[in-house]
Amino acid sequence: NAGVTQTPKFQVLKTGQSMTLQCAQDMNHNSMYWYRQDPGMGLRLIYYSASEGTTDKGEVPNGYNVSRLNKREFSLRLESAAPSQTSVYFCASSEFRGYTFGSGTRLTVV
Amino acid sequence: TQLLEQSPQFLSIQEGENLTVYCNSSSVFSSLQWYRQEPGEGPVLLVTVVTGGEVKKLKRLTFQFGDARKDSSLHITAAQPGDTGLYLCAGTTSGTYKYIFGTGTRLKVLA
Repeated sequence: NAGVTQTPKFQVLKTGQSMTLQCAQDMNHNSMYWYRQDPGMGLRLIYYSASEGTTDKGEVPNGYNVSRLNKREFSLRLESAAPSQTSVYFCASSEFRGYTFGSGTRLTVV
Repeated sequence: TQLLEQSPQFLSIQEGENLTVYCNSSSVFSSLQWYRQEPGEGPVLLVTVVTGGEVKKLKRLTFQFGDARKDSSLHITAAQPGDTGLYLCAGTTSGTYKYIFGTGTRLKVLA
């Protein structure tokens, strides 16, 4: 089925380790997003890319970097993971009709 | 910072009952969306409303956008266990595709 694919689904990191969350969409959408979801906090925007070649900070960008590799792929990198980054991370893409979300990456930093 | 407040936070009802959840803000939105999220999955778009006063129906779900485009409601008629999930509203003020999400209403429908 068409949609947004995120990998990995689960990850445990030690404080200070780095990792990259991968996201790919096959709907030819221009815009892509990374959100984190924490209990009681809703979904908060980390970074977004309005189109290939552009990226912008969202509400909570500190501690993260992104790369819009091509129109399909948008990756999120944690350079030095901290326990405060324990969360569920969602990638999404959109055109005119609203977001299509991936199924999420559950990240635990110990 | 724009805030979208949803109420109630939690709702547990019996199958067959009706319910309404609310999404409120002090900001005017150019577009507002409702999503449903099930455990272990990403949110799934239910509806987008763009015109003040607009009402949209999706089977037993009725969505209304406030006249001033600052608030919205979701009404479910004769709730079923399959309606269980986290309901999220999301709005954009700038006409871009960057949406701010509310904190959600967690609904449980008991058989």
